[in-house]
Amino acid sequence: KAGVTQTPRYLIKTRGQQVTLSCSPISGHRSVSWYQQTPGQGLQFLFEYFSETQRNKGNFPGRFSGRQFSNSRSEMNVSTLELGDSALYLCASSGDQNNEQFFGPGTRLTVL
Amino acid sequence: AQSVAQPEDQVNVAEGNPLTVKCTYSVSGNPYLFWYVQYPNRGLQFLLKYITGDNLVKGSYGFEAEFNKSQTSFHLKKPSALVSDSALYFCAVMTDSWGKFQFGAGTQVVVTP
Repeated sequence: KAGVTQTPRYLIKTRGQQVTLSCSPISGHRSVSWYQQTPGQGLQFLFEYFSETQRNKGNFPGRFSGRQFSNSRSEMNVSTLELGDSALYLCASSGDQNNEQFFGPGTRLTVL
Repeated sequence: AQSVAQPEDQVNVAEGNPLTVKCTYSVSGNPYLFWYVQYPNRGLQFLLKYITGDNLVKGSYGFEAEFNKSQTSFHLKKPSALVSDSALYFCAVMTDSWGKFQFGAGTQVVVTP
């Protein structure tokens, strides 16, 4: 089985721009979660989608949004980028209830 | 609310010695506990999980963890550390709110030859 894939792997943007990150889960997985990883804040949960519906949400401002498509692929959008949004954004998919999450390699976003 | 704490930012151990990475949790329901490892510039890799059953859980790469309900702990252990075990280790908890994982701050493990 192919693992979780994320595109792009690296991205450089400037303040005020917006960005869209993509995540393709493992085939058959319907849950996709997004995390932001920074040296200072660690791994922070952004949101989780299941069957095209946002099921859980972390404590991030409305500039961070996401969606999930019928094939379970998910996108995350960040509008009006700030310097503090520079981070590694990780996507994870899971299958059965209470199962482990499988992580993608991440997208490294740098905001200048 | 659920939370997980990893009290040590870094753990240093000599190769061949036992390795322990500590994790404590706080949840209102039944805890589902996980350990992940992250190598530089990589995503997280699953090591092991506790859902129910035996308190001692065995996982990948010779790692194991012991669930202790009274102490609300889920420490990760390896009897004999390898240099290749040097990485960032994360403990995570999920309660009955399916899909919502809470990760600890991470513990950097450094194994010296």
